[in-house]
Amino acid sequence: DTGVSQNPRHKITKRGQNVTFRCDPISEHNRLYWYRQTLGQGPEFLTYFQNEAQLEKSRLLSDRFSAERPKGSFSTLEIQRTEQGDSAMYLCASSLGGDRLNTEAFFGQGTRLTVV
Amino acid sequence: TQLLEQSPQFLSIQEGENLTVYCNSSSVFSSLQWYRQEPGEGPVLLVTVVTGGEVKKLKRLTFQFGDARKDSSLHITAAQPGDTGLYLCAGPRQLTFGSGTQLTVLP
Repeated sequence: DTGVSQNPRHKITKRGQNVTFRCDPISEHNRLYWYRQTLGQGPEFLTYFQNEAQLEKSRLLSDRFSAERPKGSFSTLEIQRTEQGDSAMYLCASSLGGDRLNTEAFFGQGTRLTVV
Repeated sequence: TQLLEQSPQFLSIQEGENLTVYCNSSSVFSSLQWYRQEPGEGPVLLVTVVTGGEVKKLKRLTFQFGDARKDSSLHITAAQPGDTGLYLCAGPRQLTFGSGTQLTVLP
């Protein structure tokens, strides 16, 4: 397995456009997380899935953001009507789930979004 | 919401020096993790601490979990340029990350 894969690596879009990012987790991992990270800051949790179920969503996540994981494998994060404040690195991570709370999260290299 | 505060925010030192960075919270955590992130990459796990007072060592890195499980520290001995990166602490299930300490080790 090559680890967590995110596509695209970079996306430049005009304000008001919709964008979609894809994350392919490590195959046996049933937990998948999305984060947003701005320069010099730690990752900000957006949402996470256990298999195909979206179990938790940050209250900071506006209704312009939606994430899916339809078959419990890959996931997509869509941002509608992008704003300049959405410019950031979007990170995906996956981990083994179940009862283990301290499992290691493996991160992808992220998708850097620039809204112009 | 459990918040994690990290200090210092930035640290620039010379190769060979020792340093300590901190992760603090007003909340009790069942566990904390430390990650290191290099430019253009995602964070990579260094260690998980779960028991109050626990000390873990990873080569030149020493991690300590506070007795009350509200804080943690990372001590690096004889820092090397390869230690340069953003050091992050995270709460259980990776739902909360600190703001990070950006460490630069100059040759």
